[in-house]
Amino acid sequence: IHLVQSGAEVKKPGSSVRVSCTVSGDTLSSNAIGWVRQAPGEGLEWMGGIIPLFDAKDYAQKYKGRVTLRADESTGTVYMDLSSLKSEDTAVYYCARVPDLVRDSGVYGWYFDQWGQGTLVTVSS
Amino acid sequence: ELVLTQSPGTLSLSPGERATLSCRASQSVPSTYLAWYQHKPGQAPRLLINGVSSRATGIPDRFSGSGSGRDFTLTISRLEPEDFAVYYCQQYGSSPPTFGQGTKVEIK
Repeated sequence: IHLVQSGAEVKKPGSSVRVSCTVSGDTLSSNAIGWVRQAPGEGLEWMGGIIPLFDAKDYAQKYKGRVTLRADESTGTVYMDLSSLKSEDTAVYYCARVPDLVRDSGVYGWYFDQWGQGTLVTVSS
Repeated sequence: ELVLTQSPGTLSLSPGERATLSCRASQSVPSTYLAWYQHKPGQAPRLLINGVSSRATGIPDRFSGSGSGRDFTLTISRLEPEDFAVYYCQQYGSSPPTFGQGTKVEIK
């Protein structure tokens, strides 16, 4: 399986950005895809994930209301929309695949074995 | 949210030496839902270990993971030149999944 992301973006504060992640080598419905970001000089942060087979979405509380995940199985692409951008949203955004998604006590086990190449989103006026 | 604290922040070692990286959780990590990643500048993170101690596909056996409850360890038995990188632990047993702040392994 291979994940390819869309290119770098420069956005104004208050606007929205869409980052795409196209899966090849397997069907999208066979996979769960998560999104992780890394701000400059910071660590990794999980934003959310989508399970296309069930159209289930799981968002970090921090991003609820600002992030929307969508899957297009016809093109094998997952989209991550982030709205109301702030300078603090400047980061590299990664999509990544869960190798064996389990749900334990209502919690999805989001960990990742295949990653996209990353998309730099710069938010600046 | 379950907080992971990694130590040390930076580890300065020479090739061939043993590296021991620590990851401590603010509360017990459910089951064995703990992973380790290697991250190099300009690259995507690479999964090394999942389920506390299971090496991911293609990961050399010089990498090993151990631990339980709140305390976990990643050991690199003999550092190779390509092992100098930042390492993150991640728990995925409670929501939201969280990462440690990272340990940088640098060449001494």
